[in-house]
Amino acid sequence: NAGVTQTPKFRVLKTGQSMTLLCAQDMNHEYMYWYRQDPGMGLRLIHYSVGEGTTAKGEVPDGYNVSRLKKQNFLLGLESAAPSQTSVYFCASSPGVGKETQYFGPGTRLLVL
Amino acid sequence: GESVGLHLPTLSVQEGDNSIINCAYSNSASDYFIWYKQESGKGPQFIIDIRSNMDKRQGQRVTVLLNKTVKHLSLQIAATQPGDSAVYFCAERPGNTGKLIFGQGTTLQVKP
Repeated sequence: NAGVTQTPKFRVLKTGQSMTLLCAQDMNHEYMYWYRQDPGMGLRLIHYSVGEGTTAKGEVPDGYNVSRLKKQNFLLGLESAAPSQTSVYFCASSPGVGKETQYFGPGTRLLVL
Repeated sequence: GESVGLHLPTLSVQEGDNSIINCAYSNSASDYFIWYKQESGKGPQFIIDIRSNMDKRQGQRVTVLLNKTVKHLSLQIAATQPGDSAVYFCAERPGNTGKLIFGQGTTLQVKP
């Protein structure tokens, strides 16, 4: 099993550009999450999903959209990138209720100029 | 509001010594706690977890202690090795939400 994979690993955007980050998991997990991690800070939840076709807002959802059209994929979109969205983005998945351990991907480093 | 914090931002220990990383949480409704290790340039890696109906749980070279009275969580690493150098995060789950709230992290430096 590859676990949780993220695409791309690194990206540079100009302010106002859009992009989509892809997260894929092959563990048949129900729940998936998107976090951002800034220097000296912990992980902050952007959006999450408790099943295919469902999404919910986390702690810092503004400026991001997500979609979970397939159980194994969770997409994070930036419609109009801002320098404040420069960060490292982590995707995670967990089996679901009663099995809360989240498994993380390797991260996507995003720089917005 | 909810918060999970770590008492010390950096912990430096000698190789072979035991390490103790502390964490305070504020939500009395949290019933599940987890420790992650994050090496430079990588995603967080699960270390050990504990539910609120337990006080202690042991893994391989690691032990997690939970004190619900004072809302305190600690991670003990026995015989610390250079490979243990990383940032350690604690996280709590407030009730049956499926979400985790992470602390800011403690950097563990192991001196040879």
